[in-house]
Amino acid sequence: AAGVIQSPRHLIKEKRETATLKCYPIPRHDTVYWYQQGPGQDPQFLISFYEKMQSDKGSIPDRFSAQQFSDYHSELNMSSLELGDSALYFCASSLGRGQYFGPGTRLTVL
Amino acid sequence: AQKITQTQPGMFVQEKEAVTLDCTYDTSDQSYGLFWYKQPSSGEMIFLIYQGSYDEQNATEGRYSLNFQKARKSANLVISASQLGDSAMYFCAMRHRNTGFQKLVFGTGTRLLVSP
Repeated sequence: AAGVIQSPRHLIKEKRETATLKCYPIPRHDTVYWYQQGPGQDPQFLISFYEKMQSDKGSIPDRFSAQQFSDYHSELNMSSLELGDSALYFCASSLGRGQYFGPGTRLTVL
Repeated sequence: AQKITQTQPGMFVQEKEAVTLDCTYDTSDQSYGLFWYKQPSSGEMIFLIYQGSYDEQNATEGRYSLNFQKARKSANLVISASQLGDSAMYFCAMRHRNTGFQKLVFGTGTRLLVSP
């Protein structure tokens, strides 16, 4: 069965640089979510999209923005990166009850 | 505020034995969903099982079952016949209507170690 696809899987950036993370949800899933998981932490919700419209927003810094495109893929844009942004970033998608996570993008900010 | 509590930071079990991972939740909403995820050391979040607050029967998925006690606000995960590959971090999570019925709120997780 098709799963959520995320790219890249690993990303290394310098402080103050920008990063773009991509997510391709499971086909026909109508909702996409982004989560951030710091080292040794549980995942924290950032933002979600339902049918390409932003549907919910969590503790997402103003330096971050996200959107969902007409083909349902989503991108998380992160600017002015800080050391504290180093984390595992998950995209998840759902249609109904389940919420399925992608493999994550591990971002390291040096 | 909605909250998930996992009181066991770590659990040990021998191969082939059953293990119960505890999860309690706090919500004032009547409609909510409870999830369990497995996170191996490789990092991916694997969906295991889901229980809706109005589901009359406890959810089961293969070796995983959810012991849902609504009055006690608990949703413990039971893994039967543990395998070495079950060694991982396990997260309990909740989704509820107050948050637009979308985002998940996670507990702090329980690290399970299965020994031969």
